[in-house]
Amino acid sequence: GAVVSQHPSWVICKSGTSVKIECRSLDFQATTMFWYRQFPKQSLMLMATSNEGSKATYEQGVEKDKFLINHASLTLSTLTVTSAHPEDSSFYICSARDPGRRYTFGSGTRLTVV
Amino acid sequence: GESVGLHLPTLSVQEGDNSIINCAYSNSASDYFIWYKQESGKGPQFIIDIRSNMDKRQGQRVTVLLNKTVKHLSLQIAATQPGDSAVYFCAESPSGYALNFGKGTSLLVTP
Repeated sequence: GAVVSQHPSWVICKSGTSVKIECRSLDFQATTMFWYRQFPKQSLMLMATSNEGSKATYEQGVEKDKFLINHASLTLSTLTVTSAHPEDSSFYICSARDPGRRYTFGSGTRLTVV
Repeated sequence: GESVGLHLPTLSVQEGDNSIINCAYSNSASDYFIWYKQESGKGPQFIIDIRSNMDKRQGQRVTVLLNKTVKHLSLQIAATQPGDSAVYFCAESPSGYALNFGKGTSLLVTP
């Protein structure tokens, strides 16, 4: 079936630095990808919709200058957490709709900011 | 916005019993509903889906029921196994937009 690969699976960074997370559709093309954030024991919250070749659409309350999204190709979207702080520590998950119109998810990235 | 400090509701069942997990949704425009299973530290895994023109769909050991009148979705797991222990989320999508996830239920299967 369709596979969405997310990298890295976990990352620890110092406060004030930036971290890039990659999301790739391995065997299909995705003009749209979705980025979610999940805090412990909570549900997935949509952060933004990534559109290939155009600007991402951010959900209310999500700072676009802090969470930079780039969708430069039909198989790759990246999320960069800029000037990360401890409150940005979370589980970040990407998703894409596969050719069968199902939403397939990456394995997630555990970000810890120290 | 995000909820802070909530604990997931937990359903504890014995191995071999049937499990029923419920979900209420709010958007009457949603026409596509999915159940996902999430194990600790992993991304959500597709279980079963249903479109709004149906009220029941069956898969292998799982059944999804949709009641549009009361905006209610349920997941039934037959002969629950220890490997079914995980957090289960319902998700809804209005006409192909991004999924909105429910709060989740933690399923614990005891031997």
